[in-house]
Amino acid sequence: ETGVTQTPRHLVMGMTNKKSLKCEQHLGHNAMYWYKQSAKKPLELMFVYSLEERVENNSVPSRFSPECPNSSHLFLHLHTLQPEDSALYLCASSQALAGAINEQFFGPGTRLTVL
Amino acid sequence: SQKIEQNSEALNIQEGKTATLTCNYTNYSPAYLQWYRQDPGRGPVFLLLIRENEKEKRKERLKVTFDTTLKQSLFHITASQPADSATYLCAATGEAGTALIFGKGTTLSVSS
Repeated sequence: ETGVTQTPRHLVMGMTNKKSLKCEQHLGHNAMYWYKQSAKKPLELMFVYSLEERVENNSVPSRFSPECPNSSHLFLHLHTLQPEDSALYLCASSQALAGAINEQFFGPGTRLTVL
Repeated sequence: SQKIEQNSEALNIQEGKTATLTCNYTNYSPAYLQWYRQDPGRGPVFLLLIRENEKEKRKERLKVTFDTTLKQSLFHITASQPADSATYLCAATGEAGTALIFGKGTTLSVSS
């Protein structure tokens, strides 16, 4: 596998379920990101990790819980979500944090539907 | 708060024409801007980066300009093709310097 991969590609869950999104990057990058993309809205940054340490958390509800066990893997744990959380969740990575002029490489996304 | 604005939600042009997309930024001065392409159901793909001290950057049929006076970047696709149809996103580093802030994007449709 090359680039950034995300699983699952599609997920339907009820409001009481617990699920996890997985992201893996095969690029040797040190920074990883979670974004939420809703229709007609800009990409919303959720979490930023650099060398497995969380460096930014943009006021994301606690029902979203990130985990970065190593520099290649990033998870987003979901529990008791709301229908408005339905969106495309994108993972990205970059060589270093974006402030150092680094392009971001995105995965294909997980299309999440909360019923 | 810092904003990246792409005011045109959609742009429709004919094949062979030049497409021009606009990106404006407010409340801060990013050191550089990036442009990405996103196809339906896929993640964005990086196209070009331009620094504030560069007036213009080119890559094949793509050209990006950066006007710090107007606080604006223009993205041009010359000799456009139906395969260029996609959503184009403008992005810049936020003040925290850790991640990118994205505009809503402009969806380009090129008809043959």
